[in-house]
Amino acid sequence: DAKTTQPNSMESNEEEPVHLPCNHSTISGTDYIHWYRQLPSQGPEYVIHGLTSNVNNRMASLAIAEDRKSSTLILHRATLRDAAVYYCILRDVGGAQKLVFGQGTRLTINP
Amino acid sequence: GAVVSQHPSRVICKSGTSVKIECRSLDFQATTMFWYRQFPKKSLMLMATSNEGSKATYEQGVEKDKFLINHASLTLSTLTVTSAHPEDSSFYICSATIHLAGAGYEQYFGPGTRLTVT
Repeated sequence: DAKTTQPNSMESNEEEPVHLPCNHSTISGTDYIHWYRQLPSQGPEYVIHGLTSNVNNRMASLAIAEDRKSSTLILHRATLRDAAVYYCILRDVGGAQKLVFGQGTRLTINP
Repeated sequence: GAVVSQHPSRVICKSGTSVKIECRSLDFQATTMFWYRQFPKKSLMLMATSNEGSKATYEQGVEKDKFLINHASLTLSTLTVTSAHPEDSSFYICSATIHLAGAGYEQYFGPGTRLTVT
């Protein structure tokens, strides 16, 4: 699986938007970009995924660069419950189903 | 969304004993499940891929005789840590996949099992 690079940590304030970046310069044409998050002492939770176009769901938005070498997860209005480790993962749609987790970004939300 | 459960959520065992962890997909059938372990402040490390009705595929460096995986039905996979030692103390997480039309597979994770070996 292609590698992703994320900042180790980020901090934001409650009720403000948060932009979590992910670099994936070696992405291939069939790699989907997946985001998961893990709250303390819980299993990871699916957030969003996309291929080329920007995606929106009830949790977040995913903005994908035109060259697909980077993407940004956007939390529109952070709450304290959004404090978690966020993982950006690439997976080939035709490849193995397994997910390979990097170190992720630890997001801290200040009240 | 799909729900994956794990049992027990927390277990303490003595060194040298074996412990079994169950992973169930509650509202869907999963031909493939995965087992991860996670040490404090670290990321998840994939241990093995569990396929229903066949032998598990272990990642490099994971001892298959120590971490026994059984996937006897489409909704249940078990991980048995045999002859556990304190260094096996960790957070064990399972996941199960659902096929998404045109988008590959999506994984849903269990809540994790915290194993402490004394």
